[in-house]
Amino acid sequence: GAVVSQHPSRVICKSGTSVKIECRSLDFQATTMFWYRQFPKQSLMLMATSNEGSKATYEQGVEKDKFLINHASLTLSTLTVTSAHPEDSSFYICSARDLSGHSPLHFGNGTRLTVT
Amino acid sequence: GQNIDQPTEMTATEGAIVQINCTYQTSGFNGLFWYQQHAGEAPTFLSYNVLDGLEEKGRFSSFLSRSKGYSYLLLKELQMKDSASYLCAPMDSNYQLIWGAGTKLIIKP
Repeated sequence: GAVVSQHPSRVICKSGTSVKIECRSLDFQATTMFWYRQFPKQSLMLMATSNEGSKATYEQGVEKDKFLINHASLTLSTLTVTSAHPEDSSFYICSARDLSGHSPLHFGNGTRLTVT
Repeated sequence: GQNIDQPTEMTATEGAIVQINCTYQTSGFNGLFWYQQHAGEAPTFLSYNVLDGLEEKGRFSSFLSRSKGYSYLLLKELQMKDSASYLCAPMDSNYQLIWGAGTKLIIKP
């Protein structure tokens, strides 16, 4: 079945540094990938929709200059958290869907970011 | 607006059956997904319904009534490993999934 690979699974960084998270679709092409953030015991919150070859679409309240998204190919999207702060500590999850709009989202395993 | 309504938490006994209900309101509708999410992990796909009726897949079944804006996930022969959150996620007219907080299912021996 469809597999989405996300790396790293866990990262601890110091306040002010930047962290890059990679999301790869391993056996299908994903023109669109989604980036979510989830705080403990809360629902998934869509941060942005990543479109291959074009600019990402950010949800209201998400700073595009802080959360940089690059979708350079049909199988890779990256999220960079720039100048991270402790409040950015969260579980970041990417997902992708193959070209059919009715196919399920397949999720990466998530990245647990802790900013100290 | 768009919203999802699921019970926050349910408890069931190992070996029993449990039904998790979901009502939803969306701008347009392109089907409804159920996902399972264990604590600290990403969601995994369970089922997809786009037409009314019941879809059965092993121990899990999912039902949809589009006219009522209602779905349920039925889990049979419950196992301890089924303890997780279950997320009902309808897809709106823009093919965006709408997420609620999910239902935390606790299985007791």
